[in-house]
Amino acid sequence: DADVTQTPRNRITKTGKRIMLECSQTKGHDRMYWYRQDPGLGLRLIYYSFDVKDINKGEISDGYSVSRQAQAKFSLSLESAIPNQTALYFCATSGTGNTEAFFGQGTRLTVV
Amino acid sequence: ILNVEQSPQSLHVQEGDSTNFTCSFPSSNFYALHWYRWETAKSPEALFVMTLNGDEKKKGRISATLNTKEGYSYLYIKGSQPEDSATYLCASPGNKIIFGKGTRLHILP
Repeated sequence: DADVTQTPRNRITKTGKRIMLECSQTKGHDRMYWYRQDPGLGLRLIYYSFDVKDINKGEISDGYSVSRQAQAKFSLSLESAIPNQTALYFCATSGTGNTEAFFGQGTRLTVV
Repeated sequence: ILNVEQSPQSLHVQEGDSTNFTCSFPSSNFYALHWYRWETAKSPEALFVMTLNGDEKKKGRISATLNTKEGYSYLYIKGSQPEDSATYLCASPGNKIIFGKGTRLHILP
């Protein structure tokens, strides 16, 4: 089983709908991140969390919200999806210090 | 450090040739630098974590160097193979992990 698991893997939703992307990890890491990937723009940080009580906005947080339900779970919500939120979304975790990030498999979201 | 720049954006290399590309970052307040390989339809995976000026790290045919005083890191691939085709990302860890836009490497048969 993957150390970082994202659900769903693929989702098509309509404009205006609320959608939640879920991420869970078994690495025991405190730090969790949500990124989106668009062609030519690389990975852009949406939100990050250092523990259950510490949640921070990233570069592109508008239109998104998150919930850190437990050390192992970090969910990303789109309250009212719009077409320009169509992208590939990645959850990642890391330990403390300068340790590397570990990524989930990605969620491909299409908003029509 | 927050601003991480990578060049070139895309690179085509003949199979068997060696290549290298660059990650640039502000040299002040350096903390660490990560390199990742991201294959199509997969997730990014870490290659190297680099922390000290002058660091050189190697994994098979791939190696990386770090110059924190001038603010750059090079990734080298020796004798490119088709399986090296991927996007290579560098990232600046700290309070948050910020990624460069990557170098897309295509190996030509």
